[in-house]
Amino acid sequence: AQTIHQWPVAEIKAVGSPLSLGCTIKGKSSPNLYWYWQATGGTLQQLFYSITVGQVESVVQLNLSASRPKDDQFILSTEKLLLSHSGFYLCAWSPGTGGYAEQFFGPGTRLTVL
Amino acid sequence: KTQVEQSPQSLVVRQGENCVLQCNYSVTPDNHLRWFKQDTGKGLVSLTVLVHENDKTSNGRYSATLDKDAKHSTLHITATLLDDTATYICVVGDRGSALGRLHFGAGTQLIVIP
Repeated sequence: AQTIHQWPVAEIKAVGSPLSLGCTIKGKSSPNLYWYWQATGGTLQQLFYSITVGQVESVVQLNLSASRPKDDQFILSTEKLLLSHSGFYLCAWSPGTGGYAEQFFGPGTRLTVL
Repeated sequence: KTQVEQSPQSLVVRQGENCVLQCNYSVTPDNHLRWFKQDTGKGLVSLTVLVHENDKTSNGRYSATLDKDAKHSTLHITATLLDDTATYICVVGDRGSALGRLHFGAGTQLIVIP
């Protein structure tokens, strides 16, 4: 069975500080990986997706970057946090095949920027 | 411009009652539509996916319809339980491939009271 894990569960950071959020998928090789962001009370937005190691495509940047250093790992980061980065970050994966493939979501990371 | 509109924004029902959630969208092309359940501060869990014109699906107490001509979907929940308290999110995919863009609604917050 596949599992998706996000870390940390929650984070409180200062404006201007760096950030690194992680996501790992176990039990599935070559998944498509996605990062989503949800402002408090807002709508989910897709930020990045990746179909293979080392390749990341940006959908909405929000002064964030993403990397995929390993097949099962997806990292979201920034060197300088903004207040507007606060919210809920979700990682998801889908099978690397066609069709209306379902995306499976992780438990999320709650980020508060002060 | 919001491409997926959900109504009502929030809904309170008594345990055991039925309820209907609405989703209207303008996404083009509209390859498929999926309903998710999101418990507070948690990830998304897929309830059902609709693909074809006039699709109808059933998953336990959840049933859904899709009218692609009207770009409209409904989610019916029968005999609600306290555990149904959550946000229900309508998501429209614009492509059949796993790399298609997902367009999220803001969700309907359902509260089930005893």
